[in-house]
Amino acid sequence: EPEVTQTPSHQVTQMGQEVILRCVPISNHLYFYWYRQILGQKVEFLVSFYNNEISEKSEIFDDQFSVERPDGSNFTLKIRSTKLEDSAMYFCASSSIELNTEAFFGQGTRLTVV
Amino acid sequence: GENVEQHPSTLSVQEGDSAVIKCTYSDSASNYFPWYKQELGKGPQLIIDIRSNVGEKKDQRIAVTLNKTAKHFSLHITETQPEDSAVYFCGGGNKLTFGTGTQLKVEL
Repeated sequence: EPEVTQTPSHQVTQMGQEVILRCVPISNHLYFYWYRQILGQKVEFLVSFYNNEISEKSEIFDDQFSVERPDGSNFTLKIRSTKLEDSAMYFCASSSIELNTEAFFGQGTRLTVV
Repeated sequence: GENVEQHPSTLSVQEGDSAVIKCTYSDSASNYFPWYKQELGKGPQLIIDIRSNVGEKKDQRIAVTLNKTAKHFSLHITETQPEDSAVYFCGGGNKLTFGTGTQLKVEL
């Protein structure tokens, strides 16, 4: 069964450092998403990406965040200068060509900023 | 944007009983309402979804009902089993706004 894969599973970084979280969406999907889940809280939308550009982003997705699809398979989230409050689980998801269809989530990357 | 409210935040039931989780949404234009299950240490996984042209959908022990007039939809789990224990999130809106989650615990 096709799945979304994320690497690394856990990333520890120093405050102020840049991190790149990587995702490989399902191959025939065209919509990609990043979500954040602070421990014990709800899953929060960060950004959606379609046709090589951001289609929507939330207030959380400020200038320190960026996304990129550097090749035909990877979808990355970069956090330029990490803060302690960026510590969370980050989930990548993808969905097929239609909006409002099932989004498939990866297992997540746990980011710990120290 | 869409605002989705979910309750209860925690729910304990005895094995075999039914569980109901409710969500309300704000955007009357929303037309897709998924329910996701998140097990410990894993990403959310879709368990059932409903579109606005349907009032109810059932898949074995799981059902979802939608009331468009009142702008709320509910997840119903019958004959609960210990493996149903997880956090359940409702979703809505075109960027999949999640509710705050319900921690369901099925006790033996």
